[in-house]
Amino acid sequence: NAGVTQTPKFRVLKTGQSMTLLCAQDMNHEYMYWYRQDPGMGLRLIHYSVGEGTTAKGEVPDGYNVSRLKKQNFLLGLESAAPSQTSVYFCASSWTPQGPSYNEQFFGPGTRLTVL
Amino acid sequence: QQQVKQSPQSLIVQKGGISIINCAYENTAFDYFPWYQQFPGKGPALLIAIRPDVSEKKEGRFTISFNKSAKQFSLHIMDSQPGDSATYFCAAGQNENEKLTFGTGTRLTIIP
Repeated sequence: NAGVTQTPKFRVLKTGQSMTLLCAQDMNHEYMYWYRQDPGMGLRLIHYSVGEGTTAKGEVPDGYNVSRLKKQNFLLGLESAAPSQTSVYFCASSWTPQGPSYNEQFFGPGTRLTVL
Repeated sequence: QQQVKQSPQSLIVQKGGISIINCAYENTAFDYFPWYQQFPGKGPALLIAIRPDVSEKKEGRFTISFNKSAKQFSLHIMDSQPGDSATYFCAAGQNENEKLTFGTGTRLTIIP
């Protein structure tokens, strides 16, 4: 099992450009998440999904959009990138009905995004 | 509003010593308290977790101590090793809620 994978690993954008980050998981998890990690700020939830076709806002959703068209994939879009969106982005997934009741999240390796 | 406060921001411990990281929470509905470990260039991974029905959980050299009345919990790393050097995040969540709230992280460095 590959677990949680993220594409791309690194990206440099100019202000105003758009891009999509792709997250894929092969653990049949129902829940998926997008976080951003900034120095001294910890992990902040951007958007999340509790199942195929559903999305919900997290703590810092402004400037981002997401889609979960397939259960195994969760896409994060930046429509018009800003320097404030320079960060490391992590995708995570969790929970199957057959698994433990607690919410262990499995994280991908991250995408380092720089917006100039 | 930050619901989980973590301290210290960074910590340097000698090899063989005890590393202690503290967290405090505000939401009394939280009933699940995990700690995640993150090595440079990697995503966080679950290290150990506790529920509030016990005051302590130990797994090898790692122990979580939980104080429900004070709304605090801490991670203790006994006999700290250079391989323990990483960033540690505490978190809190509700069993029926799909979200976790993370602390701001502690960068732990173990020196020889």
